[in-house]
Amino acid sequence: SQQGEEDPQALSIQEGENATMNCSYKTSINNLQWYRQNSGRGLVHLILIRSNEREKHSGRLRVTLDTSKKSSSLLITASRAADTASYFCATDLRGTYKYIFGTGTRLKVLA
Amino acid sequence: NAGVTQTPKFQVLKTGQSMTLQCAQDMNHNSMYWYRQDPGMGLRLIYYSASEGTTDKGEVPNGYNVSRLNKREFSLRLESAAPSQTSVYFCASTSQTGRNTEAFFGQGTRLTVV
Repeated sequence: SQQGEEDPQALSIQEGENATMNCSYKTSINNLQWYRQNSGRGLVHLILIRSNEREKHSGRLRVTLDTSKKSSSLLITASRAADTASYFCATDLRGTYKYIFGTGTRLKVLA
Repeated sequence: NAGVTQTPKFQVLKTGQSMTLQCAQDMNHNSMYWYRQDPGMGLRLIYYSASEGTTDKGEVPNGYNVSRLNKREFSLRLESAAPSQTSVYFCASTSQTGRNTEAFFGQGTRLTVV
């Protein structure tokens, strides 16, 4: 199974609402990153949180990391229709140069 | 800057044919990666190259080979294509200087094996 498991697999919300998605991983990491993918296109980097950080903000994005539970969450506040995409977490595994991706959350924001 | 460039963008192969997917980055990055993405799924790591001259297996290396030709280029070869290799392939690179750096992705190669 993959290093990162995300839930929910799919999420549908109204514009203006907040969207929260979660990522769990299995092994020690250097950092955890979140990416967005629009409709089968390339991935765009959103935010990186290091293993010694607990929370990070970037615009409407808030990421938390709990290394004791091996989990992270991504919160998108005041969502917009343009936020409709798939969101993936990726872990930079400690002791390697591997970036391993999670299974993704498909977010749909309804106007 | 072009970033990460993959060629070709689309390819149809017959079962048993071979082909090489090309990837080049112009950001002077040390590490490069090949992933595959099947419909509705996340990316799975095929092979990666931590630095020029080194390559290592990822999660799903069977049926593939790679070459880190130089610091800029990292190619993925399918020696005998199978329908199970129908997928979208993404190349990525990262500087790895001091770790904790983001990865940059190409736009993908959509491969169909019939």
